[in-house]
Amino acid sequence: AQSVSQHNHHVILSEAASLELGCNYSYGGTVNLFWYVQYPGQHLQLLLKYFSGDPLVKGIKGFEAEFIKSKFSFNLRKPSVQWSDTAEYFCAVKKRVTGGSQGNLIFGKGTKLSVKP
Amino acid sequence: GAGVSQSPSNKVTEKGKDVELRCDPISGHTALYWYRQSLGQGLEFLIYFQGNSAPDKSGLPSDRFSAERTGGSVSTLTIQRTQQEDSAVYLCASSYYKPNTDTQYFGPGTRLTVL
Repeated sequence: AQSVSQHNHHVILSEAASLELGCNYSYGGTVNLFWYVQYPGQHLQLLLKYFSGDPLVKGIKGFEAEFIKSKFSFNLRKPSVQWSDTAEYFCAVKKRVTGGSQGNLIFGKGTKLSVKP
Repeated sequence: GAGVSQSPSNKVTEKGKDVELRCDPISGHTALYWYRQSLGQGLEFLIYFQGNSAPDKSGLPSDRFSAERTGGSVSTLTIQRTQQEDSAVYLCASSYYKPNTDTQYFGPGTRLTVL
């Protein structure tokens, strides 16, 4: 079965530190890739997504992610974090299928990011 | 515009009771998804609707769980004879039909507590 692994359960950083959150998936076919963020007390919001083309994608709030097909990875990065980035981050994968039927996302278990002011 | 809405936001019930959770997708979104978020399990897919039909029910954990969607809009997830392990946040998402390039937008969830 397909799976998504997020390597870090909890990351603690000081403001202005750089961030990289790992995400690896196990599906060998073509995929769409997503990062969602859940701020405390709020619902899941889309941070960025990759469908095709340039493997370096930029999202909201200065986040970016790089798709490396050979490594089955889609790591999230931010050069300088802020206290307001404290949240839980979820990587998600969706298989692209012939015929174009829509289907569910497969999520990693999430990484909690705590940014100390 | 309005996002995905869910009701109730919180539900406390006793073991053995039935519960109904409601989801209103974004207007015009033809696909609707139910997920469950619980401690230690992360986000698990339950069921997916395209219009009123459910092509994929593979994530429903038991026959106590069912869902329907009417008018291509509102969906209801029903859990019969609730058990304590059903306690979780139930999330609904919707997307516009764009094969292989759709993006799911999530609602705030319903937190279900089974005593």
